[in-house]
Order: sequence, then C-alpha cells, then structure tokens
Amino acid sequence: TQLLKQSPQFLSIQEGENLTVYCNSSSVFSSLQWYRQEPGEGPVLLVTVVTGGEVKKLKRLTFQFGDARKDSSLHITAAQPGDTGLYLCAGAGAGSYQLTFGKGTKLSVIP
Amino acid sequence: EAGVVQSPRYKIIEKKQPVAFWCNPISGHNTLYWYLQNLGQGPELLIRYENEEAVDDSQLPKDRFSAERLKGVDSTLKIQPAELGDSAVYLCASSAGAFSANVLTFGAGSRLTVL
Repeated sequence: TQLLKQSPQFLSIQEGENLTVYCNSSSVFSSLQWYRQEPGEGPVLLVTVVTGGEVKKLKRLTFQFGDARKDSSLHITAAQPGDTGLYLCAGAGAGSYQLTFGKGTKLSVIP
Repeated sequence: EAGVVQSPRYKIIEKKQPVAFWCNPISGHNTLYWYLQNLGQGPELLIRYENEEAVDDSQLPKDRFSAERLKGVDSTLKIQPAELGDSAVYLCASSAGAFSANVLTFGAGSRLTVL
C-alpha cells in the first residue's frame, strides 16, 4: 500500500495570503493528481503531473512534482474565499491503474 | 453534458436495514469506480468496473456489500445489512479508461447515516 501524507491537515488563512500544501510519500508515483472537494460535492480534478520536476500553473495555483516523483506541492497565491475546500492528492504507482488518495488538507480562506 | 449522477443524495436508515445506491456514469466512460469516503478522510476504492466486469473488488467487504453494473452502464452498490460503521459518503466516479493518469469524474456522492 502506497501511503500519501498531506500537510497541514487544516489551514485557515486571510484572503490575499499565500499558502503551500504538501503531499509526501516514500513511494514513487508514475503520476499524481490534485483534486479540490467542496462540501456536499465530489472531488474535482485540478491537475495531473507525470514528469519528475514538472511545474504546472492554473491561474493562481502552482503545482510541482518532486524530482524523484515521491512528493508534490500546491502553492496558492493571493488566496480567495472561493479557494476554500478540501485539497486531495492522489497517486498511482508505476504500472498501476489504482489511485491512492491522501487524507486531504482542509483550507478555509476568511474574507 | 450531464456529469456522473448519483442517487439518493442522502439516506438515513437503522442498522441491519438494507440500502442501495445508484450511479449513472458519463456517457461513453467504460471505467466505473465506487469509493468510500469517511469524514475527514480521502476516498478509498471499493470496486472498479471495466464495462460490466468487476476487475478489482479486493477492498469490497463482500460479506455485506455487493455491486453490479449490468449492461456496462449504470451501477448499483448495495449494503445488507448496514452497520453503524457504514455511515459515510459513497462516491461514484467514471473515466474513459483505466490508465493511471486518466481523469476521474466524480459524482456528488450519496451520504449514508446508519442509526
């Protein structure tokens, strides 16, 4: 079983602040995905990263895949209340179809 | 285009009662997943279908859980009898294929409360 540890578990910040959340594992992943889940809804895919060292940007969100493909980070610039939600990372091992999810980081952005 | 549709959205039952959840995936998506999400946790895979075949049900508690995907489209997840610990959100997802980098589209989930 490949475990994904996400940190911090909870994060409460003021609107306009920057933040970074982390997703770490001792295992190598062939791909890693980030999802955002709002209360009462299912997770929605934000990005997929597949190459070690890869950086992807989605407006104010920057995703990075570690060089060794064992960890990833999500950085949000100038957070807005609409960014509030549960951020989940999910990884798949080499040759595996199965995604393993972390427990998530619950982000609250206070206006 | 409609997304993944699940019903019911909420269900409250007493322990030992049966319950069933229904999922209609995105049209054309051959791969269908049922996940369990406990409060404060990430989703955990219960079963994965490729068309009508259950290709991974290793995490499905088969003593009380069953699932089917007749005709390779809609799917039903059943619990009989339900236990207090089954209270959770049951998420259905679909994808165009089973490749690890495929996009999973999730439904809104069915929240089960067992009293």
